[in-house]
Amino acid sequence: QVQLVESGGGVVQPGRSLRLSCAASGFTFSSHTMNWVRQAPGKGLEWVAVISYDGNKKYYAESVKGRFTISRDNSKNTLDLQMDSLRMEDAAVYYCATTQIDDYDYSGYPRGGFDHWGQGTLVTASS
Amino acid sequence: DIQMTQSPSSLSASAGDRVTITCRASQSIDIYLNWYQQKPGKAPKLLVNAASHLQSGVPSRFSGSGSGTDFTLTISSLQPEDIATYYCQQSYNTPRTFGQGTKVEVK
Repeated sequence: QVQLVESGGGVVQPGRSLRLSCAASGFTFSSHTMNWVRQAPGKGLEWVAVISYDGNKKYYAESVKGRFTISRDNSKNTLDLQMDSLRMEDAAVYYCATTQIDDYDYSGYPRGGFDHWGQGTLVTASS
Repeated sequence: DIQMTQSPSSLSASAGDRVTITCRASQSIDIYLNWYQQKPGKAPKLLVNAASHLQSGVPSRFSGSGSGTDFTLTISSLQPEDIATYYCQQSYNTPRTFGQGTKVEVK
């Protein structure tokens, strides 16, 4: 069965860095577009970043552009999110999620829903 | 970016009631609208993709409809296990955007 397991969360001071990872199993990881989605405490879902199946295309939410970097290693079935210059407002549970294979949007990403999610990893900001 | 607006923000209904949640996009998104269910402390779960395609294993009391800018998620007979927050999401264009959520409670 599909399994996504996030790790790397913790308490971080504003301005510092943190690297999240997502270990994938139970499916052909190298065939799937992957996403990071976050949820601040008591708030709704916010899409953060996407990476194409081969790692060649990446797209970021404006709120994290220039500070976060998404990457993947298809040989290890892992997805990462490097988070630099962290802000208080980056505190959230971070989920990795797969995109269903579907036709493509104008940016070249599949238009499917996010059909598998990890359990999330919590990032807490503390000064 | 495409803005997604859900209504209501919360609702309370009795078991067996028909419940409808609406989602409106700021521009036409064709049928590229997904619905998720999130229970407290859990990751979201995809219920419906492409406006009306029910995911495998999702109870048939859930249904989705709509196209263009206006969409609905309907629970035909609310069950206690349906207590959750429901989110719509457009997948017409990147960046993907979510609605603000609708919290469903059972009276």
